[in-house]
Amino acid sequence: DAGVIQSPRHEVTEMGQEVTLRCKPISGHDYLFWYRQTMMRGLELLIYFNNNVPIDDSGMPEDRFSAKMPNASFSTLKIQPSEPRDSAVYFCASSFGYRTGGETQYFGPGTRLLVL
Amino acid sequence: AQTVTQSQPEMSVQEAETVTLSCTYDTSESDYYLFWYKQPPSRQMILVIRQEAYKQQNATENRFSVNFQKAAKSFSLKISDSQLGDAAMYFCAYRYRTGGKLIFGQGTELSVKP
Repeated sequence: DAGVIQSPRHEVTEMGQEVTLRCKPISGHDYLFWYRQTMMRGLELLIYFNNNVPIDDSGMPEDRFSAKMPNASFSTLKIQPSEPRDSAVYFCASSFGYRTGGETQYFGPGTRLLVL
Repeated sequence: AQTVTQSQPEMSVQEAETVTLSCTYDTSESDYYLFWYKQPPSRQMILVIRQEAYKQQNATENRFSVNFQKAAKSFSLKISDSQLGDAAMYFCAYRYRTGGKLIFGQGTELSVKP
């Protein structure tokens, strides 16, 4: 089975530009998570969805960040406008629901974002 | 709020030896999961082992085992017969059973000397 797929793997952009990160979860998983990893803050949750509905977006830093999940097999994380402090590795992860043994989250390879 | 603490930023082990990575956590919940993830230089997050809080038996996966002390809120990872491929950053993580997010520790960077 294919794991979680993220694109692009690397993104270099200039401050002020719009950045869109994409994620395809594992088929059948009904939870999708977006995490960010930085040296200063470590790994932190940005937002997660259950059955395509955002459940907790308290980790989204500010209005420049938005996430959508239009269907069960696709999600986007958008930053507009981007700033140098957004430079980080962004991970997407997915899992089954906790009622169906979904305690384990499986991570994608991450997108390494550099904002100049 | 739940927190996870890894007090060892770096650890080193000789190939074929055993090493233990420490993790403590704080929670008022009784039903939760604990995980160890490995992050090699490729940055891929790989599940190493997981433990259900309601299980008293410590989880084991081949050369990896945990020492889960629920009362002490301690969850250490033991790697036996260390191999060069074990070199990576290791993260301890907590998840409330019905909660969504993983809460991660700061990570421990493990190096393996040949």
